[in-house]
Amino acid sequence: QKEVEQDPGPLSVPEGAIVSLNCTYSNSAFQYFMWYRQYSRKGPELLMYTYSSGNKEDGRFTAQVDKSSKYISLFIRDSQPSDSATYLCAMEYGNKLVFGAGTILRVKS
Amino acid sequence: GAGVSQSPRYKVAKRGQDVALRCDPISGHVSLFWYQQALGQGPEFLTYFQNEAQLDKSGLPSDRFFAERPEGSVSTLKIQRTQQEDSAVYLCASSSGYNYNEQFFGPGTRLTVL
Repeated sequence: QKEVEQDPGPLSVPEGAIVSLNCTYSNSAFQYFMWYRQYSRKGPELLMYTYSSGNKEDGRFTAQVDKSSKYISLFIRDSQPSDSATYLCAMEYGNKLVFGAGTILRVKS
Repeated sequence: GAGVSQSPRYKVAKRGQDVALRCDPISGHVSLFWYQQALGQGPEFLTYFQNEAQLDKSGLPSDRFFAERPEGSVSTLKIQRTQQEDSAVYLCASSSGYNYNEQFFGPGTRLTVL
């Protein structure tokens, strides 16, 4: 079993929908939780990170961490076709990031 | 520079060849990381440098993989005697200071071993 589990999708939604992306993890030592967006043939781009449990909002994006359930989420409001990409969750462990496999998101216009 | 750059962007090697992949981190960034991303998977950690010191190489899959950062800026990942299972995208990331959670990634080098 991998340390970080993420449904690979693809997840297909209409433009304007609210998108929910999720990851579960097994290592209680994880403290920082990140979401990256990766377009095809590009490197991952950091969207946001949160420390410990709670919510963090940045524009149309909201990150949520529930350490008691070992569950993190990313919500995208008013999704746009330009949001179509692979979304990777990542967790800091020492000096490295441990990534999920990524969820492919397709937003249809 | 504006961001992390990597070269070449694409590399095709015959099985058994040696390859060298270059990473130019964001100017002034102390920390540099290499990751390997297989098709359909998330990046997996290979190694970490703080300035010129390689502090963690626990993710390197075999002794055919070697990384260096001699002057604390540019880094090179070398793979000797490439095998088909080495085919992947190799990503470099850098961060300022000791902010391991804010890593900025380059576009990657896509290595195909025939």
